Amino acid sequence: DAGITQSPRHKVTETGTPVTLRCHQTENHRYMYWYRQDPGHGLRLIHYSYGVKDTDKGEVSDGYSVSRSKTEDFLLTLESATSSQTSVYFCAISPEYNEQFFGPGTRLTVL
Amino acid sequence: QQQVKQSPQSLIVQKGGISIINCAYENTAFDYFPWYQQFPGKGPALLIAIRPDVSEKKEGRFTISFNKSAKQFSLHIMDSQPGDSATYFCAYQAGTALIFGKGTTLSVSS
Repeated sequence: DAGITQSPRHKVTETGTPVTLRCHQTENHRYMYWYRQDPGHGLRLIHYSYGVKDTDKGEVSDGYSVSRSKTEDFLLTLESATSSQTSVYFCAISPEYNEQFFGPGTRLTVL
Repeated sequence: QQQVKQSPQSLIVQKGGISIINCAYENTAFDYFPWYQQFPGKGPALLIAIRPDVSEKKEGRFTISFNKSAKQFSLHIMDSQPGDSATYFCAYQAGTALIFGKGTTLSVSS
């Protein structure tokens, strides 16, 4: 998975609790992305980063925040998880903004 | 919201046959069109990609055909094998983001 790890790989949480997902890369790529994958919707961009402390919103950013304090780490936070955020979350990295390489994913269930 | 329309949703092909998946997009300003392959429980893996200055790109058994005037591109898998059974996603580059189709589940029967 192109030097990308995601943690945790599986998480079950309750509605209203905060959740943080971590993406770690060893490739020193500039761009990092968070996507969610849901049946019938394909992959949709949540947030992305184009450098340390430089982030921007994607298509489905409501309810999510991100932070990138180091090149290798990109965190996705659900401030107050809702059942609609039950999904599989993928991190991706890219040296420039074309070829994107995906991590193994985190399956999140919000009860 | 820009989108890419992918068809069919699912596809069953006999071993040795040709699998064809089609995608249509709306905006001619895009310049990068990748295809991803995803196995159950895994992340999507970049399979092959094309830029609109060429009409076809081949890598092994996988070929992308690109029709700029029709705003369509397709993936052909020649001599399909059971190991090709997976979900395939087309995408295009829109600024920094990739916009994905909804996926095609391919089953290759032996």
